[in-house]
Amino acid sequence: GNSVTQMEGPVTLSEEAFLTINCTYTATGYPSLFWYVQYPGEGLQLLLKATKADDKGSNKGFEATYRKETTSFHLEKGSVQVSDSAVYFCALRPPRGDKIIFGKGTRLHILP
Amino acid sequence: GAGVSQSPRYKVAKRGQDVALRCDPISGHVSLFWYQQALGQGPEFLTYFQNEAQLDKSGLPSDRFFAERPEGSVSTLKIQRTQQEDSAVYLCASSSDRTNYGYTFGSGTRLTVV
Repeated sequence: GNSVTQMEGPVTLSEEAFLTINCTYTATGYPSLFWYVQYPGEGLQLLLKATKADDKGSNKGFEATYRKETTSFHLEKGSVQVSDSAVYFCALRPPRGDKIIFGKGTRLHILP
Repeated sequence: GAGVSQSPRYKVAKRGQDVALRCDPISGHVSLFWYQQALGQGPEFLTYFQNEAQLDKSGLPSDRFFAERPEGSVSTLKIQRTQQEDSAVYLCASSSDRTNYGYTFGSGTRLTVV
């Protein structure tokens, strides 16, 4: 079946550090891949997406590359800020599917 | 509207009580989804509507859960005879058509069953 596995948190970093949150997936064919972010007290927001192999999604300094060979979609940011503190969810949408399947989420704490 | 609106924002129910959660999607959005998010977990799919048709209800955990979208716009998720394990945040999302790759989520309804 379709599933998403992401690194467990919490992840704690100092401001300006480099961030990687690992995400791997299991799916048939070529799913669409997403990262969503949930700030404290708010709903889920789409951060970035990629719809085919080797696509790179990017937004707000975050990037993730769709790697079919390793079935991965790792989230990276070169220099994190305190305001990036949130829970990050990796997700996939199967080809010809409607529902999005989420990972369990990774809580990120950025220290000033 | 400008976003997906859910009400109430918080709901406390006594065990055994029935509850109704409302979702007002973005105007014109064809697809509507309900998810359940337990504390510290990712959202789990409950059900999906395309206009007024409920195309997938495979995620509803029991027959106590019922969802409707009678006019293809506002949707209601009803939970009968609530139990403590129903405590969670219930998220609604909408998207403009079946080919849209991402959804817009509402802020959710936090249900606490005591």
